[in-house]
Amino acid sequence: GAVVSQHPSRVICKSGTSVKIECRSLDFQATTMFWYRQFPKQSLMLMATSNEGSKATYEQGVEKDKFLINHASLTLSTLTVTSAHPEDSSFYICSAPRPRGVTEAFFGQGTRLTVV
Amino acid sequence: AQKVTQAQTEISVVEKEDVTLDCVYETRDTTYYLFWYKQPPSGELVFLIRRNSFDEQNEISGRYSWNFQKSTSSFNFTITASQVVDSAVYFCALSEAQSGYSTLTFGKGTMLLVSP
Repeated sequence: GAVVSQHPSRVICKSGTSVKIECRSLDFQATTMFWYRQFPKQSLMLMATSNEGSKATYEQGVEKDKFLINHASLTLSTLTVTSAHPEDSSFYICSAPRPRGVTEAFFGQGTRLTVV
Repeated sequence: AQKVTQAQTEISVVEKEDVTLDCVYETRDTTYYLFWYKQPPSGELVFLIRRNSFDEQNEISGRYSWNFQKSTSSFNFTITASQVVDSAVYFCALSEAQSGYSTLTFGKGTMLLVSP
């Protein structure tokens, strides 16, 4: 079963509104989670690293004020796309590494955001 | 510089054909991990394999096999007797010691279309 749950899987919103995407680790605690973005027919690009108890770390070129990340607890990170525009339409996917050892990164199911 | 190169953007085969997806990577780390993921149209990432840099043994899992060659920095993926259900985008990815193995750098993906 899924070890990282992402919600919602699909959302359509109007331009100018904000959308919150949740990423939960189900059977383990994750002090760090990662948010990726995938444009249609493109690769996945790391957007930011979400850190529990501290500010997120954003990759170059990612607008901090547009993509608000909050790591509220050891099992939950949220990504809020603020004042969404059609160009923000994309597939957003989170991942969380296991805290001990090196394992594959567990990915959420992804969220397909469409801004109309 | 691109760290993970999947030169094949799209491959079309007929069912039962064998197909090889190429992946070439670049890293300065001596310890790293390589991955293959499958992304069906629904969007979620399906983990297929992880290989660490010290393990060059080839692996076979059912119809899937992987050929890891450090000398050529390649980690190719072969599907034997392809099936329509294999149609998806396949991503090769790299995680490095410098990132704590937590984040993945993805190739651009290869879209595989298997027709009946």
